[in-house]
Amino acid sequence: GPKVLQIPSHQIIDMGQMVTLNCDPVSNHLYFYWYKQILGQQMEFLVNFYNGKVMEKSKLFKDQFSVERPDGSYFTLKIQPTALEDSAVYFCASSLGGLYTEVFFGKGTRLTVV
Amino acid sequence: GEQVEQRPPHLSVREGDSAVITCTYTDPNSYYFFWYKQEPGASLQLLMKVFSSTEINEGQGFTVLLNKKDKRLSLNLTAAHPGDSAAYFCAVGSSSFSKLVFGQGTSLSVVP
Repeated sequence: GPKVLQIPSHQIIDMGQMVTLNCDPVSNHLYFYWYKQILGQQMEFLVNFYNGKVMEKSKLFKDQFSVERPDGSYFTLKIQPTALEDSAVYFCASSLGGLYTEVFFGKGTRLTVV
Repeated sequence: GEQVEQRPPHLSVREGDSAVITCTYTDPNSYYFFWYKQEPGASLQLLMKVFSSTEINEGQGFTVLLNKKDKRLSLNLTAAHPGDSAAYFCAVGSSSFSKLVFGQGTSLSVVP
């Protein structure tokens, strides 16, 4: 079936550095999401993105976070600068028509900030 | 905003037994309800979705019930087998363009 690919699966970065998490969504999908999951806790919404714009973001989506989908290809989450509390698994998701259609999730990128 | 509580956090059942996982939500305008299964190292796999207009949905070996009056969503595995061992998450959304709010997850272990 359709797959959302996330690259890399694990990334270790020094606190204060910039990191970009990449997501290759399902090819014809129009809605894109990032979720954050700290180990042992629930998945929490960060941001959703449609038609080149952020539609909604949560209070977890700090000023240091940004998303874009340059050239209509990868959907990226950039954190600059990173902080220790950014350590988590970040899940990308995409859907064709929002929640009315199926939302497909990637396997996540485990980000470790040291 | 919407809050979703999922219980129990851990569940262990014997093969062939039933297993029930429950979520309660707070937003009466919630319309989209989902159950996801997550195996270690894998992405979330959609098990079942229920829209507010329906109250029951059945899949292979499980039933999803939605009680709008009590704002409760449940996943019933009728005869669990070891392959059902995984983490299960409920998720709720209010509109097609909104975010999903997830429950805390249930780690299900099915022992032979």
